Amino acid sequence: GIQVEQSPPDLILQEGANSTLRCNFSDSVNNLQWFHQNPWGQLINLFYIPSGTKQNGRLSATTVATERYSLLYISSSQTTDSGVYFCAVPDSNYQLIWGAGTKLIIKP
Amino acid sequence: KAGVTQTPRYLIKTRGQQVTLSCSPISGHRSVSWYQQTPGQGLQFLFEYFSETQRNKGNFPGRFSGRQFSNSRSEMNVSTLELGDSALYLCASSLAGGFRSPLHFGNGTRLTVT
Repeated sequence: GIQVEQSPPDLILQEGANSTLRCNFSDSVNNLQWFHQNPWGQLINLFYIPSGTKQNGRLSATTVATERYSLLYISSSQTTDSGVYFCAVPDSNYQLIWGAGTKLIIKP
Repeated sequence: KAGVTQTPRYLIKTRGQQVTLSCSPISGHRSVSWYQQTPGQGLQFLFEYFSETQRNKGNFPGRFSGRQFSNSRSEMNVSTLELGDSALYLCASSLAGGFRSPLHFGNGTRLTVT
């Protein structure tokens, strides 16, 4: 089945820094989603991005489907950006396959 | 538009008991999927319902079951609870089934089995 790998597993940054999170997948996919899980467990959908680039405020995402990866950019980090970032893709059995996540800590 | 609502938020049960969790999707969403999240295993897919039909099921024992009603609300049931069932259970709704549209999650039900 499809494999999803995220890097780095952990990231510690100072407030105001920029970061890039990566999601690699082993097979072609129809779409990809990025999520943020805050320290209280709430999962928020950040992007639904089959291909191309999308931007939402300080966050943007790019998916290069032909090369099987997606990048999530966070600019001018704030402490509220802390949490775990997941990417997920559907497999051929219509199940959503999740990466292990990138744990981001933003220090004030 | 109201988000995905899960009840209850917290639950404490004893081994051997059964539990029912509820999920109300975003209005107009016909797909509801359930996930179990534990520190060691990450997010594990339980099942997806679309228009009252189970479309897909993850690799969980038969003690885990679910259903969806005509108003798209969904319930998940776990019978004969085990200590290992302690987890955060998340429900997500989406417009289209098969994960062909964005997923929106509820706040989850944190189940503790003692």
